[in-house]
Amino acid sequence: AQSVAQPEDQVNVAEGNPLTVKCTYSVSGNPYLFWYVQYPNRGLQFLLKYITGDNLVKGSYGFEAEFNKSQTSFHLKKPSALVSDSALYFCAVRDISGGYNKLIFGAGTRLAVHP
Amino acid sequence: DVKVTQSSRYLVKRTGEKVFLECVQDMDHENMFWYRQDPGLGLRLIYFSYDVKMKEKGDIPEGYSVSREKKERFSLILESASTNQTSMYLCASSLYGSSYEQYFGPGTRLTVT
Repeated sequence: AQSVAQPEDQVNVAEGNPLTVKCTYSVSGNPYLFWYVQYPNRGLQFLLKYITGDNLVKGSYGFEAEFNKSQTSFHLKKPSALVSDSALYFCAVRDISGGYNKLIFGAGTRLAVHP
Repeated sequence: DVKVTQSSRYLVKRTGEKVFLECVQDMDHENMFWYRQDPGLGLRLIYFSYDVKMKEKGDIPEGYSVSREKKERFSLILESASTNQTSMYLCASSLYGSSYEQYFGPGTRLTVT
């Protein structure tokens, strides 16, 4: 079965420092991987995706993610964190079981960026 | 921009009541989804639909049903609300055959007392 894990409940970063939010996956076949962000009192917003091609994927708001097949990881990164990046981040993987295309989400990681 | 709207941001219902959560999208998307979001559990899929009048069970369908009479509207129904259904409910939509990017509504926080 497809699954995705986010090993950290919370990540704390000082503003201006680089940030990493971790995600590992388990899939059969080629992985389709996604990151979404949820700001307070808002729905989820799509950040970026990996389908195929370059292992480094660039997305919205200066975020990028690195696909690592050997480590089955898809970590979200940003070179310089902003206080406004504080939010809940979800990693997701495509699931095609049952013949339908769905997403399976991780438990989420809360990112807190301190001034 | 894709817009997904949900009928209520906050809802308080009593145990045993029948509850309707409505979701409307304005981008002619074929696919629609209902999730519930709970701390530490992430998003869990309740039901989804790939066409009008079509529905499929997700991972946690027990205690819920859905209705999709029109392409733009997907309703989640709690036949007899229980306290363990207190949660944040999120609706999403996507294009058929897309690379699975989903667009989410703002969510409905349901409290069952």
